[in-house]
Amino acid sequence: SAVISQKPSRDICQRGTSLTIQCQVDSQVTMMFWYRQQPGQSLTLIATANQGSEATYESGFVIDKFPISRPNLTFSTLTVSNMSPEDSSIYLCSVELPGPAKNIQYFGAGTRLSVL
Amino acid sequence: AQSVAQPEDQVNVAEGNPLTVKCTYSVSGNPYLFWYVQYPNRGLQFLLKYITGDNLVKGSYGFEAEFNKSQTSFHLKKPSALVSDSALYFCAVSPHSGAGSYQLTFGKGTKLSVIP
Repeated sequence: SAVISQKPSRDICQRGTSLTIQCQVDSQVTMMFWYRQQPGQSLTLIATANQGSEATYESGFVIDKFPISRPNLTFSTLTVSNMSPEDSSIYLCSVELPGPAKNIQYFGAGTRLSVL
Repeated sequence: AQSVAQPEDQVNVAEGNPLTVKCTYSVSGNPYLFWYVQYPNRGLQFLLKYITGDNLVKGSYGFEAEFNKSQTSFHLKKPSALVSDSALYFCAVSPHSGAGSYQLTFGKGTKLSVIP
């Protein structure tokens, strides 16, 4: 597996502001993913972030609202822009490791976001 | 498009009894199937996967799951439940190949409560 660190672990933000969430992995990975887990709901994929290319967004998610950076093989950020209370969720990053663990996604502990 | 159904929002079982958490799926072609567990205020932890081969898959913490292609099911089982197994369990599927083969689709989750 891998050690995946997310920062911050939680935050309370005001409406209209932006928050950047960091995801750090202890090994080099090609594929990183960002998910949203709304209260009491399942996980929904926001986007796939591969190093060296633009992030690929899923239906219902747009770059202006959720810009993503992937500067190297161990790090990614997700920004939640112009927040509203509807953005209150847990945001999780995950990675797919190469080799025998291929096809398995490993998750960070998540960032619990509350928007007032 | 793929989908996952977890028909039970909650499963209650007495400690020491066998447990089953149900999952059925829909995907084009052959599936990759996964079970994850989420403890309160924690990220998702990988339990087990089915890629190919033996239909009975063994995973972490004594859990196992049986792939049944004719019933498109992948139920999670454990012979003897522990109180510490109480958590939220997610089933997930991705297609074996083709576009989006890395994309995980999650079920809505089943809350397992093991009663002492």
